[in-house]
Amino acid sequence: GAVVSQHPSWVICKSGTSVKIECRSLDFQATTMFWYRQFPKQSLMLMATSNEGSKATYEQGVEKDKFLINHASLTLSTLTVTSAHPEDSSFYICSAMRDADSPLHFGNGTRLTVT
Amino acid sequence: ELKVEQNPLFLSMQEGKNYTIYCNYSTTSDRLYWYRQDPGKSLESLFVLLSNGAVKQEGRLMASLDTKARLSTLHITAAVHDLSATYFCAVDPREYGKLTFGQGTILTVHP
Repeated sequence: GAVVSQHPSWVICKSGTSVKIECRSLDFQATTMFWYRQFPKQSLMLMATSNEGSKATYEQGVEKDKFLINHASLTLSTLTVTSAHPEDSSFYICSAMRDADSPLHFGNGTRLTVT
Repeated sequence: ELKVEQNPLFLSMQEGKNYTIYCNYSTTSDRLYWYRQDPGKSLESLFVLLSNGAVKQEGRLMASLDTKARLSTLHITAAVHDLSATYFCAVDPREYGKLTFGQGTILTVHP
């Protein structure tokens, strides 16, 4: 069964609004979670690492003020896309690892469409 | 910068045939993952390869890792239509969870 839950599965919003995406680890504690983004017909790219109790670390080229990450508990990380624009439309997928020898488990993803 | 390259990017197979997808990467790593993605869906973990020479098999799929050659293979035996999907390899250069993905191989299995 799923070990990482993501919500919502899809969202349509108007340009200029903000959208929050939640990611939960279901049966383990995750001090670190990861947010990936996938544009249509492309591969996945790591956006940022979410660290429980501290600031997220962002990959080069990812605007930290636009993609706000909060990791308030050991089982929940949130990604807020602020002032969304059509070019932010993408598939956002969170992930977490149970332990070092496990695969990185991915949530079901959130398809964001900005109109 | 770590580069992960898959070959081929598109693969059209007949049912019953065998084929191999290759995954080359550019820097030292002994952690490699294979994932499957169906259209519109997230990623499903297939294999975790954690050491040189690791070989894992599940059903009609078998994955191997050669860390010296920086190469992993995903071998498909007697393909069936249900295997049609996009397959990604991903490398984790000792920063657990920070994966660099290959471009993906779109596999289509025809009757």
